[in-house]
Amino acid sequence: GESVGLHLPTLSVQEGDNSIINCAYSNSASDYFIWYKQESGKGPQFIIDIRSNMDKRQGQRVTVLLNKTVKHLSLQIAATQPGDSAVYFCAENTEGYSTLTFGKGTMLLVSP
Amino acid sequence: KAGVTQTPRYLIKTRGQQVTLSCSPISGHRSVSWYQQTPGQGLQFLFEYFSETQRNKGNFPGRFSGRQFSNSRSEMNVSTLELGDSALYLCASSRDRQNEKLFFGSGTQLSVL
Repeated sequence: GESVGLHLPTLSVQEGDNSIINCAYSNSASDYFIWYKQESGKGPQFIIDIRSNMDKRQGQRVTVLLNKTVKHLSLQIAATQPGDSAVYFCAENTEGYSTLTFGKGTMLLVSP
Repeated sequence: KAGVTQTPRYLIKTRGQQVTLSCSPISGHRSVSWYQQTPGQGLQFLFEYFSETQRNKGNFPGRFSGRQFSNSRSEMNVSTLELGDSALYLCASSRDRQNEKLFFGSGTQLSVL
């Protein structure tokens, strides 16, 4: 049969806007979450992480929010720049060690 | 500190052949994980090695195998290649503490013709 490509949700923003990328996870036992950025032709690059005993963590221009009640994770990017254009993945860890389960990804397009 | 290094960067093979991919983790990292990335399925976990032992395995057929050496370097092998094996194969390393971020290499892009 014909294979269907993965249709990535896309978020288009203007340079200087704030961006919010959302992620739903299904495993209530997940206790560690990470956001990765992947540019074309490169491997995923770590952005920020958060453990389940926190609900917010801030980095440089980025903030991750965790809502365990509804199993939702979001990544906020302040003052989005064209260099932020990439695919963003959330990942969760429930196995204790180095086994991450990745979401399907969101493409962020930033126009000047 | 050098990052995760994967070789080769690109590979073209034909159906039925086998292929070996190589990964050198960040110095001091003892855990190496492999992921397959395709447009249709996204990033899928293949297996994870620590101290030369496979500790976790994803849901892939036995044609996919791997190993880790005493210096933490790892290889993965795919035998009897199928068209559907065309993908970006990513290696990631970590120091191996519980709940720790993975550092990824740039991947090996495998095309099966």
